[in-house]
Amino acid sequence: KQEVTQIPAALSVPEGENLVLNCSFTDSAIYNLQWFRQDPGKGLTSLLLIQSSQREQTSGRLNASLDKSSGRSTLYIAASQPGDSATYLCAVGRGSTLGRLYFGRGTQLTVWP
Amino acid sequence: DADVTQTPRNRITKTGKRIMLECSQTKGHDRMYWYRQDPGLGLRLIYYSFDVKDINKGEISDGYSVSRQAQAKFSLSLESAIPNQTALYFCATSDSAKGTGAYEQYFGPGTRLTVT
Repeated sequence: KQEVTQIPAALSVPEGENLVLNCSFTDSAIYNLQWFRQDPGKGLTSLLLIQSSQREQTSGRLNASLDKSSGRSTLYIAASQPGDSATYLCAVGRGSTLGRLYFGRGTQLTVWP
Repeated sequence: DADVTQTPRNRITKTGKRIMLECSQTKGHDRMYWYRQDPGLGLRLIYYSFDVKDINKGEISDGYSVSRQAQAKFSLSLESAIPNQTALYFCATSDSAKGTGAYEQYFGPGTRLTVT
């Protein structure tokens, strides 16, 4: 069974800092990895999708990397802003059951002015 | 209009009642999913459907059933609601035929269900 772990569980930083959120998974036979953002009481918004053949994806101030062999992904947020405050979820899709995602429990980020 | 919609958005029901949560999508995706989210536990998969005739149990299907009425509609039923089914429920979709964007999941806004 695929286990997904996110560290840290919570993070509080001042505005302007660059920060890294970590995700690890136990089974390296993944198809893709997706990072989501969730605001309190709201749905999930897809931030970045990395296919298993890719090493990284970038969108604006966000950069996600993937190292399948070590079972790790990182989400890098540059020049953080208070509007980045949310919970960030990592999810992996296994190759044997295409379409299913296995989620971590998330990192709750607070960026204060 | 939102691509993935869920109704109702909030529901309070009593123990033993049967309720249905509905999901509709206009993205034209073939795959649909139901998840529940509990504080501290993350999202867990209840059921998933790869097309209208293909429905599969997820990690926590006991006490739930689903119906895929059409490619765009996927309903989740709680046969006899119990308090530990109080949670936030999400519907999601993905497309198996989209090249490098294949299987990217898109989520609805969620249904907050309270069973008293």
